[in-house]
Amino acid sequence: AQRVTQPEKLLSVFKGAPVELKCNYSYSGSPELFWYVQYSRQRLQLLLRHISRESIKGFTADLNKGETSFHLKKPFAQEEDSAMYYCALSATQGGSEKLVFGKGTKLTVNP
Amino acid sequence: DAGVTQSPTHLIKTRGQQVTLRCSPISGHKSVSWYQQVLGQGPQFIFQYYEKEERGRGNFPDRFSARQFPNYSSELNVNALLLGDSALYLCASSFGPATDTQYFGPGTRLTVL
Repeated sequence: AQRVTQPEKLLSVFKGAPVELKCNYSYSGSPELFWYVQYSRQRLQLLLRHISRESIKGFTADLNKGETSFHLKKPFAQEEDSAMYYCALSATQGGSEKLVFGKGTKLTVNP
Repeated sequence: DAGVTQSPTHLIKTRGQQVTLRCSPISGHKSVSWYQQVLGQGPQFIFQYYEKEERGRGNFPDRFSARQFPNYSSELNVNALLLGDSALYLCASSFGPATDTQYFGPGTRLTVL
């Protein structure tokens, strides 16, 4: 079965501190992983995907197949990073395709 | 481009009723996916349609159905509503199937009394 686990429901850091949002996945195939973000009163939007290997708004995420993890990192958190973050896995099984989301981590960056 | 649009914004129904939610994808996008988001949880996949064909179905009862029209807009229908169906229903569109970047709509908040 496909599963995405985000162990931290809430994460609070101070401005300028490093931040890491954890994501672990369970998937028997070749995973395609994403981080989506939802800022207050805004729509859910893509932050980054592992195949692009881009750094968006200073965030990076590396796929570690050995540890089945896709943690999101930023070296210096900003107040505007406060949002809800969801890790997601694109899963294909028997011709059926779906996006499996974790429960999300609410990040608060304090001044 | 207005992005993905959904209607209505809010909806209140009573148990046993039926509801239809609507979604218009971004122009040029051929795939629409539906998600249910219960408070405090991540979005849970319900359906994906690509080129008007069902390409994926989540673990939801047959009370949930959907379709995609020739203009790629989509409807989600839920019959015999239960209290547990109360949630935010999200629609997302993408150019291709699920592995493409998905663009989400603002959602329809359904309350079942």
